[in-house]
Amino acid sequence: GQQLNQSPQSMFIQEGEDVSMNCTSSSIFNTWLWYKQEPGEGPVLLIALYKAGELTSNGRLTAQFGITRKDSFLNISASIPSDVGIYFCAGQQAGSGNTPLVFGKGTRLSVIA
Amino acid sequence: DAGVTQSPTHLIKTRGQQVTLRCSPKSGHDTVSWYQQALGQGPQFIFQYYEEEERQRGNFPDRFSGHQFPNYSSELNVNALLLGDSALYLCASSSGHSGNTIYFGEGSWLTVV
Repeated sequence: GQQLNQSPQSMFIQEGEDVSMNCTSSSIFNTWLWYKQEPGEGPVLLIALYKAGELTSNGRLTAQFGITRKDSFLNISASIPSDVGIYFCAGQQAGSGNTPLVFGKGTRLSVIA
Repeated sequence: DAGVTQSPTHLIKTRGQQVTLRCSPKSGHDTVSWYQQALGQGPQFIFQYYEEEERQRGNFPDRFSGHQFPNYSSELNVNALLLGDSALYLCASSSGHSGNTIYFGEGSWLTVV
């Protein structure tokens, strides 16, 4: 099935560092979503972006909806140990009702204290 | 307010057997989608149910079927299990009217041996 190109695949960072990850697609999406998944749990929504160029923050997290509508990035500032997990981007195309989400393969974040 | 609940959390089946997974959507939600997440991958859309009908379907064979009940809960059935069906099965709920806020359950881990 279709998947988004998400990078990097994994990251090892020191506590306090900033993190940046991105997601690209060959298709246009009308909504970009960023989820975090921890072991044994389902994805939890972090940020939703609905408009090209939109920049949205949620605490230490900031995400942007690319102008071309084919990409998005997520930044985490001043990382802490509880930021550990797998971060997924997901795109949603326009359509009636709730169109399915298309996910990237995830970025596995490890934070070294 | 209960979130999305799924059962069972873990199960082991033998090749060729059949399995049924269950999902209760978040209170107030009427749309249920199912996703398959293989190890190291992002979730892949299986199908979506709204008003007790399958509305959209991803690229999955007919061995995957589902049902939605009048109380909006849903079942995912997989027949003639293959080793490759081993995965985390995620249920996502949303409101057909409000659009983009999609909540995931913690998933059901299926191992086929």
